[in-house]
Amino acid sequence: NAGVMQNPRHLVRRRGQEARLRCSPMKGHSHVYWYRQLPEEGLKFMVYLQKENIIDESGMPKERFSAEFPKEGPSILRIQQVVRGDSAAYFCASSPGQFNSPLHFGNGTRLTVT
Amino acid sequence: AQSVTQPDIHITVSEGASLELRCNYSYGATPYLFWYVQSPGQGLQLLLKYFSGDTLVQGIKGFEAEFKRSQSSFNLRKPSVHWSDAAEYFCAVGAGTASKLTFGTGTRLQVTL
Repeated sequence: NAGVMQNPRHLVRRRGQEARLRCSPMKGHSHVYWYRQLPEEGLKFMVYLQKENIIDESGMPKERFSAEFPKEGPSILRIQQVVRGDSAAYFCASSPGQFNSPLHFGNGTRLTVT
Repeated sequence: AQSVTQPDIHITVSEGASLELRCNYSYGATPYLFWYVQSPGQGLQLLLKYFSGDTLVQGIKGFEAEFKRSQSSFNLRKPSVHWSDAAEYFCAVGAGTASKLTFGTGTRLQVTL
């Protein structure tokens, strides 16, 4: 199955630790998007990346959050010094890049901060 | 900025009954509109999309949606619901793009046998 792959599926971190979430896009897709879903809410856009470039990070919190999509390997969403409010489901999506290409979503990483 | 409202948080229907999930959007130009479905613990699956043209669009799993510009609505319908349709349904709007989307808060569908 060449769908969007995210790992880990579940991640538990203590307050103050770092969380690293990984995403491999669908085969043939070079555009990656990260969305966050807080409990009882819809998904909120965080960041849009192409290989080695951040295209739009208007939805990223200003501190502690960063994202990258290196030339080789998966996209990484990194959260430093996690707090309880970071507990959420983080979804990665990919597309081939055309403006009218719908997103394909992964199954998400559920982050729990204790 | 665009926005999406799904007024029904939770809907329960009997298996075999018809279904309509409401979605209202706010956007100044012609929007890109989507319905996604999310089963528990899973990612989002695209049901259908509207970009332009025929205002009645057909999707997967027997779903359809109608774009009504005058009402700023994009309601999802299915003539006969199956128990496997129980899930959360999200309406989303894209401002000239299919990728940077604004989602509604979702409608949770429960199907009784």
